Amino acid sequence: SAVISQKPSRDICQRGTSLTIQCQVDSQVTMMFWYRQQPGQSLTLIATANQGSEATYESGFVIDKFPISRPNLTFSTLTVSNMSPEDSSIYLCSGRLGETQYFGPGTRLLVL
Amino acid sequence: AQSVTQLDSHVSVSEGTPVLLRCNYSSSYSPSLFWYVQHPNKGLQLLLKYTSAATLVKGINGFEAEFKKSETSFHLTKPSAHMSDAAEYFCVVSGFRGNNNDMRFGAGTRLTVKP
Repeated sequence: SAVISQKPSRDICQRGTSLTIQCQVDSQVTMMFWYRQQPGQSLTLIATANQGSEATYESGFVIDKFPISRPNLTFSTLTVSNMSPEDSSIYLCSGRLGETQYFGPGTRLLVL
Repeated sequence: AQSVTQLDSHVSVSEGTPVLLRCNYSSSYSPSLFWYVQHPNKGLQLLLKYTSAATLVKGINGFEAEFKKSETSFHLTKPSAHMSDAAEYFCVVSGFRGNNNDMRFGAGTRLTVKP
């Protein structure tokens, strides 16, 4: 199995600022992903974090708004840029090991 | 169309009675199927997974699910609910478009357990 940690666990931010979320996995996972879970809703995939290259974004998500880095097999960051209240959500990091995907505890973001 | 449908947004049971959470999917490929549980203010935990082996899958905490290809269903069951089972449950399907990296989440089912 894989254990995934995220920092920060929660934050309150002002409109127009940016926040970088860190994700650390205790195993060398093959794939890493970032999801968003808006209040009371299911998870939506933002992007696949690719090691050493640009992330692959899903429809509706762009690199300028959600830049992602993955410098090695166990670490990734997601930045939420130029935040607005609509970005208030839980952001989850995920890693795939074999056929199973593991999830971090999430970062709860509130934008005022 | 490729989708995951959780047929009930909310299920309420009494403690000690059976639990049934329903999930249907549509896919042109042979998918892998998962159930995850999310307790309030906690991360997602894998309950069980089906990856083309036995169609009846046993998971943690007494949960199990049966893959029925003819019905394109993967319903989650538990014989006897416990108060600690109260949580949000997500049915997840991967393998859409033949790509195992493509995971789709259902909308979720909130399970309430009454004493």
